[in-house]
Parts: sequence; C-alpha cells; structure tokens
Amino acid sequence: DVKVTQSSRYLVKRTGEKVFLECVQDMDHENMFWYRQDPGLGLRLIYFSYDVKMKEKGDIPEGYSVSREKKERFSLILESASTNQTSMYLCASSPLVPIAYGGGYTFGSGTRLTVV
Amino acid sequence: DQQVKQNSPSLSVQEGRISILNCDYTNSMFDYFLWYKKYPAEGPTFLISISSIKDKNEDGRFTVFLNKSAKHLSLHIVPSQPGDSAVYFCAASVAGGTSYGKLTFGQGTILTVHP
Repeated sequence: DVKVTQSSRYLVKRTGEKVFLECVQDMDHENMFWYRQDPGLGLRLIYFSYDVKMKEKGDIPEGYSVSREKKERFSLILESASTNQTSMYLCASSPLVPIAYGGGYTFGSGTRLTVV
Repeated sequence: DQQVKQNSPSLSVQEGRISILNCDYTNSMFDYFLWYKKYPAEGPTFLISISSIKDKNEDGRFTVFLNKSAKHLSLHIVPSQPGDSAVYFCAASVAGGTSYGKLTFGQGTILTVHP
C-alpha cells in the first residue's frame, strides 16, 4: 500500500521555536508539496518540489522554508513559529506528470500544529 | 485572490437523495479539475477528475459536470450514503508546462448525509 507518512500527528510548540515537519513517501514520486488547511480557506500551497534540491514557492511561503535532500523526503521548516502558523499541515506527493496517471495527489494524514 | 471557490460551506441531504456540490473558478488557464474527499484526522483522497475536453465524467455514484463557458463544475453523488459525510474539496490545475501538476484548491464543502 503506497504511502505518504508525516512524522507527527500532533505537535505543540512555543512562539519563536524553530519547527521541523517531516514527510516521507515510498512511491518514488518526483513531486512533493506542503499545504496548510484552515477553516474557510481550504488548502493553500506553501512550497513544492519537483526534484531533489529543487523547490518552488507556493501561494503562502512567508515564514516557511523547505528542504529536499533525498527524493523520498520533504521537510517543512518554520524558522520562528508564530501563533498564526497554528494549522493543519498536509504533505502530498505525485508523479512528475500527475495528470497522465489520473491526476491525483497522495496525501499524508496531516500534522496538527499548535503554536502557543 | 481565490481562483477556485466553493461558495457553500456546508450541505445537508437525506440518505438516498442526490448531493450536488458546486465549484467556480476564475482562471481560464485551468484545464484539469479534480474532487477530493477528506474525513477528519485523515488526508484528502482523490475522488474523480475531468479534463477540459469533456463536459462529464462518471464513476459509479459520482459524476462530475464541467461548464467551461460558465467556469463552473459540480459533483453529483447519487444516491447519497451516510459514509459520504466528509469535506469535499474542488481543485484545478494547468496541465503540462512548468505547473508540475500544482493544484489550486477551493475552500471545501462539508457534506452531511442523514440516515
């Protein structure tokens, strides 16, 4: 069963802390994505990567950075956590041309991050 | 600037009846559309998709309709079942180029199907 695994289901961090969210996929997918989900706003793209060491900003990259040192792993970094970064974070992966494969992403189960 | 909009935050239907979830988009470059379903504490799962060269795609109880001139798509679930209760997200993409399959999502609609 193919999987996208997010390292933590729930996290509580203090304001100003550096936070790492980890995501691993076992499908040999080229593309990986980080989204955040907030009520009334849906899923918003933070960053994505289409190859090792490659990254592109999404719609809301401010306050975040990413790292992709290996094909299967994509990390989201909150440089200095703030309360407005309290959210559900979702990682996803897809083949390089997902539409050719039916178009779908595979999502992880999400990390609920609370910044206090 | 919300390029994909789901204007109904919630929808409640009776078991066995039809559920219709709506989605509007503003970017005329979008040419591939998808619906995802999300249960609490789980990631979204892919449900059904449609290319802009079609106006209808069907998969079992689920049918997606696309009206390009109106920049509108809808998901029909017939008959609705209590297990369909979830959040439904509409998503859109520009096929090819340097989009890398990047999806733009709507806000989501909470569907509740009552027994």
